[in-house]
Amino acid sequence: GQQVMQIPQYQHVQEGEDFTTYCNSSTTLSNIQWYKQRPGGHPVFLIQLVKSGEVKKQKRLTFQFGEAKKNSSLHITATQTTDVGTYFCAGLGDYKLSFGAGTTVTVRA
Amino acid sequence: GAVVSQHPSRVICKSGTSVKIECRSLDFQATTMFWYRQFPKQSLMLMATSNEGSKATYEQGVEKDKFLINHASLTLSTLTVTSAHPEDSSFYICSATGPNPGYFSNQPQHFGDGTRLSIL
Repeated sequence: GQQVMQIPQYQHVQEGEDFTTYCNSSTTLSNIQWYKQRPGGHPVFLIQLVKSGEVKKQKRLTFQFGEAKKNSSLHITATQTTDVGTYFCAGLGDYKLSFGAGTTVTVRA
Repeated sequence: GAVVSQHPSRVICKSGTSVKIECRSLDFQATTMFWYRQFPKQSLMLMATSNEGSKATYEQGVEKDKFLINHASLTLSTLTVTSAHPEDSSFYICSATGPNPGYFSNQPQHFGDGTRLSIL
């Protein structure tokens, strides 16, 4: 069945630095969604990518969908303490949305 | 907009008790609702998908007689954990998509705050 893998599982970042989290699917995806879950909170939708090679930006966040539509990445520049949380990718394939394990981000000031 | 309310937020009960969790879309009509289970520091595991007025579709390995789902209206879905045992202790979270009809998976999911279930 479809599997969505996400790395790294944990990311400890110095405030001001950049980091990237990666999402890989075992099958070709129709689209990919990204969510953020703050500590103690619920996942909140960030963005959806549909087209091959698509790149979307939200302020300091850059989302990319691979050409083969089997991988995606989220790059955050100039990390701030407000970026703390777990970032999940969720890929649509086989008519089902499968969530990755998430990347939990902590920030040291 | 797109607020989903889940209740209760925490339940502690004895083994053998049945527990009902409610998921409500407050400001939109949810054509599809989802129920997930989340283990500590792990991802969301989809348990079932429900559409208003029809039977829920359960994921492989999820016992439908154990986890009863009712989606009686466009704004309410309930998950009942029947005869709960300690191994059912977990964080249960619902989400909803809508109101646009059509292929739900092209729409963002709006999550409730989750229910932490502890079975003693």
